[in-house]
Amino acid sequence: LAKTTQPISMDSYEGQEVNITCSHNNIATNDYITWYQQFPSQGPRFIIQGYKTKVTNEVASLFIPADRKSSTLSLPRVSLSDTAVYYCLVGRVNYGQNFVFGPGTRLSVLP
Amino acid sequence: IAGITQAPTSQILAAGRRMTLRCTQDMRHNAMYWYRQDLGLGLRLIHYSNTAGTTGKGEVPDGYSVSRANTDDFPLTLASAVPSQTSVYFCASRADMNTEAFFGQGTRLTVV
Repeated sequence: LAKTTQPISMDSYEGQEVNITCSHNNIATNDYITWYQQFPSQGPRFIIQGYKTKVTNEVASLFIPADRKSSTLSLPRVSLSDTAVYYCLVGRVNYGQNFVFGPGTRLSVLP
Repeated sequence: IAGITQAPTSQILAAGRRMTLRCTQDMRHNAMYWYRQDLGLGLRLIHYSNTAGTTGKGEVPDGYSVSRANTDDFPLTLASAVPSQTSVYFCASRADMNTEAFFGQGTRLTVV
């Protein structure tokens, strides 16, 4: 299971684009990169998943460089409701005992 | 029932008592998980089940047991609760590896 490193916390203002980078230097060939979002007092929810290049959905974009040793979650024009903890998970076998979450990045969006 | 449901929502429990947290999903997902999340901290995996009939230990299994008699249910039992088990407990399920996981609303447990 690839170890991930992401900032503990970030601050932003409403309307700004927020980029959260996750480092995963020992990512394996078949590993996927997955991001979850957790609001206070709620369980995490899936945001986006990718393998390489760029993935975009209605919530976020995920940028993955060619070497795949890092990935960046991009949240366009954040609002106060985007205040949450964001988790980066890396692994092909995010399964069983490997489906673990790191400390995540606590994003605070300020007015 | 739609999705994944946990019960109870919250509970205050006397130390030494036995308690079972319930988790039910109607998505026919193979894999289910139990996590605990202490105040201000991250999620820690307690136990998991890759498929009905099998279970495994996660990062912090001591003091907890689980069973997976069928696809839908994955109860978590505290045999003799201790105050350090005060936490919010989340159950999750997913169809298979690399598919998104769905989490329940959580059970807030206080052991006094």
